[in-house]
This record gives sequence, C-alpha cells and structure tokens, in this order.
Amino acid sequence: DQQVKQNSPSLSVQEGRISILNCDYTNSMFDYFLWYKKYPAEGPTFLISISSIKDKNEDGRFTVFLNKSAKHLSLHIVPSQPGDSAVYFCAASEGSYIPTFGRGTSLIVHP
Amino acid sequence: GAGVSQSPSNKVTEKGKDVELRCDPISGHTALYWYRQRLGQGLEFLIYFQGNSAPDKSGLPSDRFSAERTGESVSTLTIQRTQQEDSAVYLCASSLGWGNTIYFGEGSWLTVV
Repeated sequence: DQQVKQNSPSLSVQEGRISILNCDYTNSMFDYFLWYKKYPAEGPTFLISISSIKDKNEDGRFTVFLNKSAKHLSLHIVPSQPGDSAVYFCAASEGSYIPTFGRGTSLIVHP
Repeated sequence: GAGVSQSPSNKVTEKGKDVELRCDPISGHTALYWYRQRLGQGLEFLIYFQGNSAPDKSGLPSDRFSAERTGESVSTLTIQRTQQEDSAVYLCASSLGWGNTIYFGEGSWLTVV
C-alpha cells in the first residue's frame, strides 16, 4: 500500500510558465516532507522541504505548499526552465526519520 | 570525490548468483540508507544504519538481502541467489544524522538475466 502517492507520472510545461507537481499521503503521522529531483543516470538530489508546522516554504523559484487536512502537498516551480526537466520525487517521514518516497513525476519543460 | 560513491555502477548477473554492492558515504556522515528503484516504481527503502545502533532492516524484501556497515564508513549490500525481480537501481544515501538532508549516490544498476 503506497503511503506517498504521486498520481501524475508525467507533466509537460512551456518554458516560463508555472509547473505544479502534486503529492498525496495517507499516513497522518508524517510530519516532514521533502522534494527530490533526479536527472537520468544520477542519484536524486534534495530540492526543498517543509515541516508540518508550516504550510508554505519558498526557495527561489521553488515553493512547497502543505495542506495537512487534505494530506496533500504540491511543488510549484515559477518560472519553469528547460533545465528543470527531471523526475521529481515527493517524500515524507515521521519526525525526520526514514523518508518514504512516491513513484515520481517526470517533468518536461519545453523551450 | 566529496559525494556518496557506489560501485559497481552497472552489474549484469545470472539468476541464482550472489552480488555485492558497495557504498562509500560522505565522510563524517553517521547515517546510511539503502533504497532501490525498480522500473516504473518509486524509491523503496531497504535498510538504515545510524552510528553504532542496530540497523533498521524493516525494508529488506527477503532473507536473501543483507547489508553490513563497518563503523561509520563503507557499507555492502549483498543479494544472495539473485532473481529477475531483483533487477533495479540500488541507491545508497548518507546524512549527518537523523533529520538532516540525505545525499544520494548515483546508484548501482543491477540486471539479473
């Protein structure tokens, strides 16, 4: 049973527009959430995180929103750039322990 | 280099053979994780080491899988009597400890034929 779900396997966006990647979780004990980015033939790299005491965290072009009541988080990339094309993994953990990852969403940003 | 190093980067093995995958974490990182990603799937947790504490083996899929870590350095993941469903990218990661950012290696691609 997947505890972290990324229901969109892929997303295509025009350069300069907003990319919105969604993630849902089922375990109400999760209180720390992360996004990782993965390029082909490379390991995932940490992008941004948010703890459950916040509902928004921003870092440059990347913003993560958390809706605890809906058990939903999203990653916004504004403006999207071709170099953002990658697979994005959502992850969640209890108290920053071992993260549980989703299946990933492949983002393609067209020039 | 300064990152997490894994070897081999690619391994093709025959069904039934044993394989060993190696991970060199970032120096000073006390926490070490093994994950795997099978085709079309997410990152699946396998095992976690934290300092000298007993490892968390709750993610190991069967008793054919085992891992060791020497102190706070190198870790080896061993898969005995490999099966085709073991084909995956095996990712090692390390962090300064619980609650810190996890840094992944590039992975070991295992293909069982």
